[in-house]
Amino acid sequence: DAGVTQSPTHLIKTRGQQVTLRCSPKSGHDTVSWYQQALGQGPQFIFQYYEEEERQRGNFPDRFSGHQFPNYSSELNVNALLLGDSALYLCASSFSSGETQYFGPGTRLLVL
Amino acid sequence: AQSVTQLGSHVSVSEGALVLLRCNYSSSVPPYLFWYVQYPNQGLQLLLKYTTGATLVKGINGFEAEFKKSETSFHLTKPSAHMSDAAEYFCAVFSGGYNKLIFGAGTRLAVHP
Repeated sequence: DAGVTQSPTHLIKTRGQQVTLRCSPKSGHDTVSWYQQALGQGPQFIFQYYEEEERQRGNFPDRFSGHQFPNYSSELNVNALLLGDSALYLCASSFSSGETQYFGPGTRLLVL
Repeated sequence: AQSVTQLGSHVSVSEGALVLLRCNYSSSVPPYLFWYVQYPNQGLQLLLKYTTGATLVKGINGFEAEFKKSETSFHLTKPSAHMSDAAEYFCAVFSGGYNKLIFGAGTRLAVHP
């Protein structure tokens, strides 16, 4: 049973560029959440997707957007990258009615 | 608003010693509580969770945690530390209204011979 997968594992971008990160949920899960983990901090909730819609959103600007596909996989897009966007981006999947979230290995983004 | 406080950003123990990582939460509703572990350059792995029922919860790798409502705590323990336990540990509370996990700042556990 495959767990949560994310791609790519690492990315280097420059300020002002755009980036797309991808996530495939654990088999059977229909809900995907995205978190940002800055160095030395706990993960912070960005948003959650269910039934191809953004269901909840954390305190992140509109530069952060997402998408969920019919097969429940998801993308996180960040526009106009800032140095402060450098972080580990974690995807988590769960059942829609479930509180237990399972995390992928993350994508480490470095913005220069 | 819900929140989590982890006391001690760094904890160091000897191999074979008791591990105690502290977590206190704030919640106006009965909380769902979690401990996750993060090894270097990896994602988060679920160690254990408390939702309802028995307040002493056993997890993987010999860890356990006890939910104490009166103390608003959910401390993580392991009787005997192993070198492989060295990692960052995060306590989290589930915010049902927002379907999100709220994490503490983490505790880095070091295990020395």
